[in-house]
Amino acid sequence: DQQVKQNSPSLSVQEGRISILNCDYTNSMFDYFLWYKKYPAEGPTFLISISSIKDKNEDGRFTVFLNKSAKHLSLHIVPSQPGDSAVYFCAASFFSGNTPLVFGKGTRLSVIA
Amino acid sequence: DTGVSQNPRHKITKRGQNVTFRCDPISEHNRLYWYRQTLGQGPEFLTYFQNEAQLEKSRLLSDRFSAERPKGSFSTLEIQRTEQGDSAMYLCASSLGQQGFYGYTFGSGTRLTVV
Repeated sequence: DQQVKQNSPSLSVQEGRISILNCDYTNSMFDYFLWYKKYPAEGPTFLISISSIKDKNEDGRFTVFLNKSAKHLSLHIVPSQPGDSAVYFCAASFFSGNTPLVFGKGTRLSVIA
Repeated sequence: DTGVSQNPRHKITKRGQNVTFRCDPISEHNRLYWYRQTLGQGPEFLTYFQNEAQLEKSRLLSDRFSAERPKGSFSTLEIQRTEQGDSAMYLCASSLGQQGFYGYTFGSGTRLTVV
């Protein structure tokens, strides 16, 4: 049973446009959500996170939106740059981030110049 | 602070052999995690330590797997009698306390190939 789902394996976006990556979760007890970015031959790198008490968190070009009623979160990247091309993982945890992260399968983002 | 270091980066072994991986976390981080990632999947949790205590083990961690973190510093993950299904990227991560808003810091992983 996959508790964190990323249903789009891949996404292609033109440089300068918005990239929207989606993530759904099934367990309403999750209260911390994070996005990681992974380049080939490297470990995942933390990108941005959000607590369940918020519905939006912004950091530069990256914004994460959380819709608790729909059990859905999304990562917006504006404007998209070629260096953003990577695999993006959504992750979640319980108890204010005190339990090991549960990851989705990832979405491969390709930003085309 | 040189980040999380994992050794070796690659390991090829014959089925049935034992292998051991090492992880050196960020020095002030008291939590250390092991994950496994296979092709097309996200990282899957295996086990984690707070200081030297192993706090949780996933059901993915069969009896052939053992992890240690002596003295709460580096950690080792040993796989005995390797099987082809053990082929994967093994990722180590560390954090200071609960990961909260800042997540874990991951190493670059050890890629295991069982032939």
